[in-house]
Amino acid sequence: TQLLEQSPQFLSIQEGENLTVYCNSSSVFSSLQWYRQEPGEGPVLLVTVVTGGEVKKLKRLTFQFGDARKDSSLHITAAQPGDTGLYLCAGAGGTSYGKLTFGQGTILTVHP
Amino acid sequence: SAVISQKPSRDICQRGTSLTIQCQVDSQVTMMFWYRQQPGQSLTLIATANQGSEATYESGFVIDKFPISRPNLTFSTLTVSNMSPEDSSIYLCSVKGQGNQPQHFGDGTRLSIL
Repeated sequence: TQLLEQSPQFLSIQEGENLTVYCNSSSVFSSLQWYRQEPGEGPVLLVTVVTGGEVKKLKRLTFQFGDARKDSSLHITAAQPGDTGLYLCAGAGGTSYGKLTFGQGTILTVHP
Repeated sequence: SAVISQKPSRDICQRGTSLTIQCQVDSQVTMMFWYRQQPGQSLTLIATANQGSEATYESGFVIDKFPISRPNLTFSTLTVSNMSPEDSSIYLCSVKGQGNQPQHFGDGTRLSIL
């Protein structure tokens, strides 16, 4: 069974602060997705990382895939209230073709 | 990415009744999935909806409780049968293309059972 440990579970910060969310596993994934979900909506895909060591940037968000494709991080610079939401990492591949292994989620609250 | 329409968006039901949730995609997709989510928490996979054959259920979920149909490559339904308050949750469908294409999600059905 593949597991993806996501931390922290909760983050409450002030506008302008930086933060990092981590996802770690003992399993290798062929790709890893990051989603953001707001209340009343489904998860929205932010990024997919595929190559070990890959770094992708989306405005103030930086995503990194570990060299061994077992871990990933999401770093947000100068957080804004609009970044508030539930962030989910999800790994694909391995023994579960097509299915995703989700982390526990991080609820981020950015206070103005 | 595909446009995914999920209906109903929310419902309040009486215990013992059943509700069918529909998921419609605007293009053919390889795989469709059904998830359950408690507000503020992560997603739990219920089953993979297989086109033209029985769905593949995850541990803890059975066909009698959550019958699923997928008659074609753009449509699937999930029925929550004989509902109890413990079934109150958000139910989400997702779709996936071939290869390394990621999953995309509908906006979910918020279900409350009285």
